[in-house]
Amino acid sequence: DSGVTQTPKHLITATGQRVTLRCSPRSGDLSVYWYQQSLDQGLQFLIQYYNGEERAKGNILERFSAQQFPDLHSELNLSSLELGDSALYFCASSPAGGSGANVLTFGAGSRLTVL
Amino acid sequence: GESVGLHLPTLSVQEGDNSIINCAYSNSASDYFIWYKQESGKGPQFIIDIRSNMDKRQGQRVTVLLNKTVKHLSLQIAATQPGDSAVYFCAESRGNYGQNFVFGPGTRLSVLP
Repeated sequence: DSGVTQTPKHLITATGQRVTLRCSPRSGDLSVYWYQQSLDQGLQFLIQYYNGEERAKGNILERFSAQQFPDLHSELNLSSLELGDSALYFCASSPAGGSGANVLTFGAGSRLTVL
Repeated sequence: GESVGLHLPTLSVQEGDNSIINCAYSNSASDYFIWYKQESGKGPQFIIDIRSNMDKRQGQRVTVLLNKTVKHLSLQIAATQPGDSAVYFCAESRGNYGQNFVFGPGTRLSVLP
C-alpha cells in the first residue's frame, strides 16, 4: 500500500457520460498529480495541485477538470466521455510543490472503460 | 518537441544476469530523474532517483547512471530475478514549479528462467 488511495478502482460507463475520480494523497503530502495511461502508452501528465491551488498543467483536455479540496483530496472530472478516454488514471502525491528532489508516490489507479 | 524516450521497448534477460535499461532525454535543463517500476495492474513504484549534480547512484541491486553530455540515463539491475519483470519508466523533472515529470514510453523487462 503506497498510501495514495484512488477510487473507484474500476469504472465502466457510456460515451457522453460524466465521471469523477477521487484521490486521497499520502498523509503529509501537499501536492497531487493526475496522469493518464492509455493501453501500451506511457504516463501522460494531466495536472498538478499544490495545497489547493493549480500548480502545473499538462495535456489535459477541456472536457476534463480537477480540483484539490481543503482536506487535500483531489477529484478529476471527466465529461462528455469518448471511447478514447478509456485508460488508467493515476493519482500521485508528493510532499511539496517546489522544485527539487521530490518523489512522486502513485496510487493503484482507476481503470475507466468507455463503451 | 522535447521528450523523454527509451532506446528499447522490450528487453529479455536470463535470470541471474544483469539488466541494463536505457533512456534518452532531450531537455538539458532537467535536473532530477527517477526510475519507476510498474507491475501489471499496479501503479508505478519508485526505484531510484538521481540529481543532475551526480553521475551515479546505487541502491539495492540497482544503479542509475547519468551522462549529461549525451543526455542519457540508464538503470542497471544486478542479478535479475523473476520479480523484476515489469515495465520500467524513466522520468525527468522540468519546470520551475513542482515536479512536472515527463515520463518515457517505458521498457518491458522479461526475465527468462
